[in-house]
Amino acid sequence: GNSVTQMEGPVTLSEEAFLTINCTYTATGYPSLFWYVQYPGEGLQLLLKATKADDKGSNKGFEATYRKETTSFHLEKGSVQVSDSAVYFCALVSGAGSYQLTFGKGTKLSVIP
Amino acid sequence: EAGVAQSPRYKIIEKRQSVAFWCNPISGHATLYWYQQILGQGPKLLIQFQNNGVVDDSQLPKDRFSAERLKGVDSTLKIQPAKLEDSAVYLCASSLDLGDRGQETQYFGPGTRLLVL
Repeated sequence: GNSVTQMEGPVTLSEEAFLTINCTYTATGYPSLFWYVQYPGEGLQLLLKATKADDKGSNKGFEATYRKETTSFHLEKGSVQVSDSAVYFCALVSGAGSYQLTFGKGTKLSVIP
Repeated sequence: EAGVAQSPRYKIIEKRQSVAFWCNPISGHATLYWYQQILGQGPKLLIQFQNNGVVDDSQLPKDRFSAERLKGVDSTLKIQPAKLEDSAVYLCASSLDLGDRGQETQYFGPGTRLLVL
């Protein structure tokens, strides 16, 4: 079946530090990959996505590249801000006859001034 | 553009009671999803509708959970009777369509937090 594995949190960084949150996946077919973010007290929001190998998704300074050879979709940001404090979820849709989003467990990020 | 609306935001019930959640998707979105998010885990799909037809309900515990989407717009999710392990956040999401590989963006509502005592 499909599965997503994210690095365990929580992650605590100082403002302006570099962020990497690792995500690897197992899927049938050719999945589309997503990063969702959940800010405190709010619903899930799409952060970025990539629908085929070597695509790079980017938004709000965050980037992730779809690496088929390593089945990975790591999230990166060069300089985090306090406002980036949230829970980040990696997810996939396999597209192989199923359209459900399969999520990782989430990684909580706290950015301190 | 208005987002996905859900109500109530919070609900506390005792085990064996019944409860219902309501969702109003983004206008024009054909596909609607219900997810269960247990504390510390990622959301898990319960049921997916395309217009008013069910696309996938393979992970819905059908002995106690039911869902409907009359007229292809609003949807309700019901639990009857509730168990302690049903305590979770219930998320509704919608997308414009499925897309040819399911890659259409899903937009999530704020969720309903359920506590079963």
